[in-house]
Amino acid sequence: ETGVTQSPTHLIKTRGQQVTLRCSSQSGHNTVSWYQQALGQGPQFIFQYYREEENGRGNFPPRFSGLQFPNYSSELNVNALELDDSALYLCASSFPGLEAYNEQFFGPGTRLTVL
Amino acid sequence: GEDVEQSLFLSVREGDSSVINCTYTDSSSTYLYWYKQEPGAGLQLLTYIFSNMDMKQDQRLTVLLNKKDKHLSLRIADTQTGDSAIYFCAETPNNAGNMLTFGGGTRLMVKP
Repeated sequence: ETGVTQSPTHLIKTRGQQVTLRCSSQSGHNTVSWYQQALGQGPQFIFQYYREEENGRGNFPPRFSGLQFPNYSSELNVNALELDDSALYLCASSFPGLEAYNEQFFGPGTRLTVL
Repeated sequence: GEDVEQSLFLSVREGDSSVINCTYTDSSSTYLYWYKQEPGAGLQLLTYIFSNMDMKQDQRLTVLLNKKDKHLSLRIADTQTGDSAIYFCAETPNNAGNMLTFGGGTRLMVKP
C-alpha cells in the first residue's frame, strides 16, 4: 500500500508568482485535506476535497485554490504569492466511513519559500 | 489566538515520564488527537480519544481528558531519545467534517 506522496519536496518562488503543489492520496482514500504549517506553528486547515468537490474551507483567501482529480490526487494552487505564504504545505488523505472517526494520513509536505 | 493551546517546550531525561498538556475551547469536539512530527517529516498520528472517554492507554502512551476543564494530556512512560520531536494536539470541531484544528506544538527534548 502506497502512502501519501507530495511533490515537489522544496520550492522557491518570488513574490507575485503562482505555484502548484501536488498530492497523491493513499490507495483507496477519496478525501484530501491541505494544511499550511508556518515555521514554529501548528498546521492550519486550508481546505478539503471529497470526490472532486470542495468540502470545507479554512480562513484562507481565494487566491488559495485547489482541485481533486478522478483518481483522488489533488493540487493546491496559490496565486499572487506573498512572503507570508512561505511555509510547509501538508496534504492528508482519508476515507470517511460510517464511523465518526477516520484517520488522516499525512504526506511529508512541500517546503515553499517565497522571496 | 489559537483555539488549541500548548506549552512550547519540555525537557526530560531518558527513562523519565513526559507529560505534555493541551487546552482546547470547542466543547463540541468529538475526537481529540495527538500527533508527532520529527524534523523534515510529516505528521504521524500517535493516538486519539473519543470525547466520552476519560482515559486511553496504548503501550507507553496514556491520554487523559478532562472535558469540564477542556484539558487534554499525553503521558509518555519511559521516554527515549527517539521520542524527541514536536507533539501536536488537535481537535475535530463538531460539524466540521474531519477538519483538524491543531495547537502550536510542544517540542520535547529527551536528554541521555
